Amino acid sequence: AQSVTQLGSHVSVSEGALVLLRCNYSSSVPPYLFWYVQYPNQGLQLLLKYTTGATLVKGINGFEAEFKKSETSFHLTKPSAHMSDAAEYFCAVSLLNQAGTALIFGKGTTLSVSS
Amino acid sequence: DGGITQSPKYLFRKEGQNVTLSCEQNLNHDAMYWYRQDPGQGLRLIYYSQIVNDFQKGDIAEGYSVSREKKESFPLTVTSAQKNPTAFYLCASSIQGGSEKLFFGSGTQLSVL
Repeated sequence: AQSVTQLGSHVSVSEGALVLLRCNYSSSVPPYLFWYVQYPNQGLQLLLKYTTGATLVKGINGFEAEFKKSETSFHLTKPSAHMSDAAEYFCAVSLLNQAGTALIFGKGTTLSVSS
Repeated sequence: DGGITQSPKYLFRKEGQNVTLSCEQNLNHDAMYWYRQDPGQGLRLIYYSQIVNDFQKGDIAEGYSVSREKKESFPLTVTSAQKNPTAFYLCASSIQGGSEKLFFGSGTQLSVL
């Protein structure tokens, strides 16, 4: 069975600093990997996803993530944090081409940005 | 505009009462999902449905029931058997199950009186 582990339930950075949110996955077959963002009292929005092909994936709002099979990781980064990036971030995995499955989410990382 | 609508935004349940959360989508998506969100626990899958008149249990289905009589609707009933129902409930849909992007509703906060 696949699973996702997000390292660090809370990350704090200063405005303009590098953002790094960590995600490791476990899957017996090639996974699809996702990062979602959730603002307070709202649903989730897709930031980016990896399916196949290029391992460096660019998403919205300046975020990107790199799929590293050897490290089973899919860490999310942004070169320069903005106050509006403060939110909760979820990493998720699903099985490649397997019908009848749903996304499995990590427990989330809350990002705080200070001025 | 296309999207997913959850209602109500806030819901209160009395002891021994069943309550139903509504989820409607006009995206023409085949797959729909219900997740429960608790602080520090992320999202946990309750039920999902790939097509009309079919649905599967997720990781925490006990105390919940669903129906999928129409493509656009996937209501969730929280029964009296669910002893700890207080949570934020999120409905989502996707074009098909598995790999596709999920579109989320804005959620329902359920609390026990």
